[in-house]
Amino acid sequence: ELKVEQNPLFLSMQEGKNYTIYCNYSTTSDRLYWYRQDPGKSLESLFVLLSNGAVKQEGRLMASLDTKARLSTLHITAAVHDLSATYFCAVASKETSGSRLTFGEGTQLTVNP
Amino acid sequence: GAGVSQTPSNKVTEKGKYVELRCDPISGHTALYWYRQSLGQGPEFLIYFQGTGAADDSGLPNDRFFAVRPEGSVSTLKIQRTERGDSAVYLCASSLQGGGNTGELFFGEGSRLTVL
Repeated sequence: ELKVEQNPLFLSMQEGKNYTIYCNYSTTSDRLYWYRQDPGKSLESLFVLLSNGAVKQEGRLMASLDTKARLSTLHITAAVHDLSATYFCAVASKETSGSRLTFGEGTQLTVNP
Repeated sequence: GAGVSQTPSNKVTEKGKYVELRCDPISGHTALYWYRQSLGQGPEFLIYFQGTGAADDSGLPNDRFFAVRPEGSVSTLKIQRTERGDSAVYLCASSLQGGGNTGELFFGEGSRLTVL
């Protein structure tokens, strides 16, 4: 059974600081997704990582994938308050033909002024 | 439509009642998924449709849960004899082609179910 673990689960940081959220998963996969969720809202797709070594950047967020280590990172640069949200990574399992995503527990990020 | 549409957005019901939740996917998306999200948790997979058929229903927790997609577009998640533990947000997502393309899922706003 595919397990996806994120850490930290809670992150409080000051504006302007940098930090990294980690996503580890337990079985072979070459597709990983990052989503953002605001309170009471649905999930917004941030990044789609489809191969080992993939790196994508959008604004102050950068995501990478290391399939050998079964690890993805979401790096936050010079955080601003608008980034406060819960961030989920989700992994597609090769065992199920990529049809289902398994999500981590989420990282609740609070950026303080 | 422009995005995945779910109705109702909120549903309060009593224990033992029957509930239906509806999902209208993005036009042209052949794959449709149902997930359940409890407070403070990540979404948990329930069922996946490719066209009209359920390609993977291994996430349905028990036989009180059932979902249909008769014409390959709109889907209905049906919950019989609801229990308090069924209270959660039920999320629907669609994608262009399950298992192909990028596999990126596009989520609706969810239906918040509260069982009293």
